[in-house]
Amino acid sequence: SAVISQKPSRDICQRGTSLTIQCQVDSQVTMMFWYRQQPGQSLTLIATANQGSEATYESGFVIDKFPISRPNLTFSTLTVSNMSPEDSSIYLCSVEDQRTGAFFGQGTRLTVV
Amino acid sequence: GEDVEQSLFLSVREGDSSVINCTYTDSSSTYLYWYKQEPGAGLQLLTYIFSNMDMKQDQRLTVLLNKKDKHLSLRIADTQTGDSAIYFCAVLQGGKLIFGQGTELSVKP
Repeated sequence: SAVISQKPSRDICQRGTSLTIQCQVDSQVTMMFWYRQQPGQSLTLIATANQGSEATYESGFVIDKFPISRPNLTFSTLTVSNMSPEDSSIYLCSVEDQRTGAFFGQGTRLTVV
Repeated sequence: GEDVEQSLFLSVREGDSSVINCTYTDSSSTYLYWYKQEPGAGLQLLTYIFSNMDMKQDQRLTVLLNKKDKHLSLRIADTQTGDSAIYFCAVLQGGKLIFGQGTELSVKP
């Protein structure tokens, strides 16, 4: 199983600012995924990040709001831009193995005030 | 698209069995998973089942899959207070994981 480290684990940010979340995997993976979990809700896929190409965004999520970088096969970042209180959520990165499922980082708990 | 449904709450007494249910809509789902999320923590993969299986057992966990009814269940035997958490089922559909809303399991001593 992959070991995934996310930073920061939590943050409180002012509205209008941006936060970049980092995700490091202990092995090389082709695809990395970013999810959002709003308070009391399930997980929603934001985008899929492939190394060497632009991220693929799900319906309702746009690159200007959630720019993603994927500079190599073990690392990715998600930026939450121009934040508002509605962006307060847990953001999780994951890597997926079709046979054994997705492995998740511990998440970044973001509060926007 | 795929729709995955779970009941929101389940309360059991310590030592009893817990059964968490999940229904899904897309019969082409290949892999189905159960995750556990403890307060303030990320998601932990508990177990998974391939769509050509009916049952999978792993220690205290038993997964049952009824493909005809598109129904998945997770049974936890001898439930302990440490099992209190939110349990998510997820199905793999079109290369993406679709999650249910999560079932909050409360275990009373």
